[in-house]
Amino acid sequence: GAVVSQHPSRVICKSGTSVKIECRSLDFQATTMFWYRQFPKQSLMLMATSNEGSKATYEQGVEKDKFLINHASLTLSTLTVTSAHPEDSSFYICSARDQQGTYNGQFFGPGTRLTVL
Amino acid sequence: EDKVVQSPLSLVVHEGDTVTLNCSYEVTNFRSLLWYKQEKKAPTFLFMLTSSGIEKKSGRLSSILDKKELFSILNITATQTGDSAVYLCAVPTGTASKLTFGTGTRLQVTL
Repeated sequence: GAVVSQHPSRVICKSGTSVKIECRSLDFQATTMFWYRQFPKQSLMLMATSNEGSKATYEQGVEKDKFLINHASLTLSTLTVTSAHPEDSSFYICSARDQQGTYNGQFFGPGTRLTVL
Repeated sequence: EDKVVQSPLSLVVHEGDTVTLNCSYEVTNFRSLLWYKQEKKAPTFLFMLTSSGIEKKSGRLSSILDKKELFSILNITATQTGDSAVYLCAVPTGTASKLTFGTGTRLQVTL
């Protein structure tokens, strides 16, 4: 199956700093990637849809200036949490769709656990 | 608004029991329903269902979809402690096929 990687797997940062999370599709091209956030004991909540070569589409209630998304190539999307605060501490998961679209689910990365002190 | 609802929210069973997890949905332009298993990290894919009444099976796990009543069930027979996880149901929605997830069912299998 298709492989999606995320880096880093875990990050701890001070309040007010910015953190960048990378999501890569390793063996397929992904025109669309998705960023989810998951708080403890809750389900995955979609934050934004990342489109290669164009602006991301954010879900209602997600601040686009706080969660910057860049999808510069068909295999890489980045999420930058700017001026992070303790309430941003969460598990961030990316996923990617196969460009061929034969499978209309998504392949998930292993997730990044962010802790803001 | 697209909606996916799972029940029960949590479940504790003994090893060897059979469990049934439920997922109901209300979405426009339904295409498929997916089941995932999530342990400590990101979800891993279990099944994708597109047609009513056709059971998908993988070992002790099976799933079926009812498009008339808008729900799916995931069955696990002869449960093992390794089945302990959160089971998520999701439906692709919108033109970008973003996934709308249910709240998940937290299954705990005890000895």
